[in-house]
Amino acid sequence: GESVGLHLPTLSVQEGDNSIINCAYSNSASDYFIWYKQESGKGPQFIIDIRSNMDKRQGQRVTVLLNKTVKHLSLQIAATQPGDSAVYFCAENKGGGNKLTFGTGTQLKVEL
Amino acid sequence: DAGITQSPRHKVTETGTPVTLRCHQTENHRYMYWYRQDPGHGLRLIHYSYGVKDTDKGEVSDGYSVSRSKTEDFLLTLESATSSQTSVYFCAISDYGQLNEQYFGPGTRLTVT
Repeated sequence: GESVGLHLPTLSVQEGDNSIINCAYSNSASDYFIWYKQESGKGPQFIIDIRSNMDKRQGQRVTVLLNKTVKHLSLQIAATQPGDSAVYFCAENKGGGNKLTFGTGTQLKVEL
Repeated sequence: DAGITQSPRHKVTETGTPVTLRCHQTENHRYMYWYRQDPGHGLRLIHYSYGVKDTDKGEVSDGYSVSRSKTEDFLLTLESATSSQTSVYFCAISDYGQLNEQYFGPGTRLTVT
């Protein structure tokens, strides 16, 4: 069935390095792809989204890349900090409405 | 948490008992959602509301009902709790033009014994 999934369950990076979190999707009809961050014991927090007709979008210290040819989405975090340690979820908005479908998440661990 | 509260924050209940979780927002946002979060499944949408008394089902709605009698409150009811409904439940809100940017509450950890 159609799904949004993540390549790796855990990613460890050194403080100051760049992080790349990957996500594969199978629904070519999705209108938006979105990244959320969830810190331990808290609810998820919106990071950034990208429309399906775009290839790249930048935010504050984050960049999302969308490769529609291989149906791949990535979140790049520049100069990773300890506060970036969290679980990161990719999600898709299939119809431009208000329903999101979330992936299973990647745990990012920042090593000092 | 963007003016969203959930109550209770923790609850232990027995199989077969009814349970109601409450989500309250002070943002006057139109849309409200209930998700459950389980290991290996990420977040799954249970029900959502697009206005007072307007609700619709999500992908895992069986065994759950919702009600929204006021803009600020969205209730999730488990009519007869089962062990498979042990989970962390999150409420979220969003507003016009911000459908991808949902604000989540702190969550309710529900254990059904």
